[in-house]
Amino acid sequence: DIQMTQSPASLSASLGETVTIECRASEDIYNGLAWYQQKPGKSPQLLIYNANSLHTGVPSRFSGSGSGTQYSLKINSLQSEDVASYFCQQYYDYPYTFGAGTKLELK
Amino acid sequence: QVQLKESGPGLVQPSQTLSLTCTVSGFSLTSYTVSWVRQPPGKGLEWIGAIWSGGSTDYNSALKSRLSISRDTSKSQVLLKMNSLQTEDTAIYFCTREAGGTGVMDAWGQGASVTVSS
Repeated sequence: DIQMTQSPASLSASLGETVTIECRASEDIYNGLAWYQQKPGKSPQLLIYNANSLHTGVPSRFSGSGSGTQYSLKINSLQSEDVASYFCQQYYDYPYTFGAGTKLELK
Repeated sequence: QVQLKESGPGLVQPSQTLSLTCTVSGFSLTSYTVSWVRQPPGKGLEWIGAIWSGGSTDYNSALKSRLSISRDTSKSQVLLKMNSLQTEDTAIYFCTREAGGTGVMDAWGQGASVTVSS
């Protein structure tokens, strides 16, 4: 199985700040990577797919980048509604696997 | 409007079988893949398995021996059965729609909480 290592596990940032979350795959996943946002008590919601494509309706302050085994999610100008947990997921190969998540809080 | 809704028992006894139903609307099961994903309390996400638009299935090898995913297209329902449940199977179970069968989960149900306990 492809292992997804996500960092950091938690993150505290101020409003307006830029934050970056990293995800490393145990092998090349050829941009088969998605990012999801999960607010407390809610189901995950798709943010980014194909490593850098913004899902419909997602604010442009979210962006994804990377290739090979290294990927990142960047949130520009952090808003209060961005407080959530974020998960990466590889879908290059079965079984699909997720990172352990990053919990983003406001400082 | 695309919607998925999970239903099933909230409590299952150890060694028993879990049966969950995902009822979808706003899209056809013959056009989209539906996956099941679970999340133990306070933990991350685990992909359980999927049923493709053509009806074939793929399962997480770690769970495959205990799993069955099927569907009833006339009712727009996907069914998950998992046997020999243990306490570590306690989780929220989500059904999701995959965009174009790619593995990208572009719609999620609200989740069904399942507790395994005697």
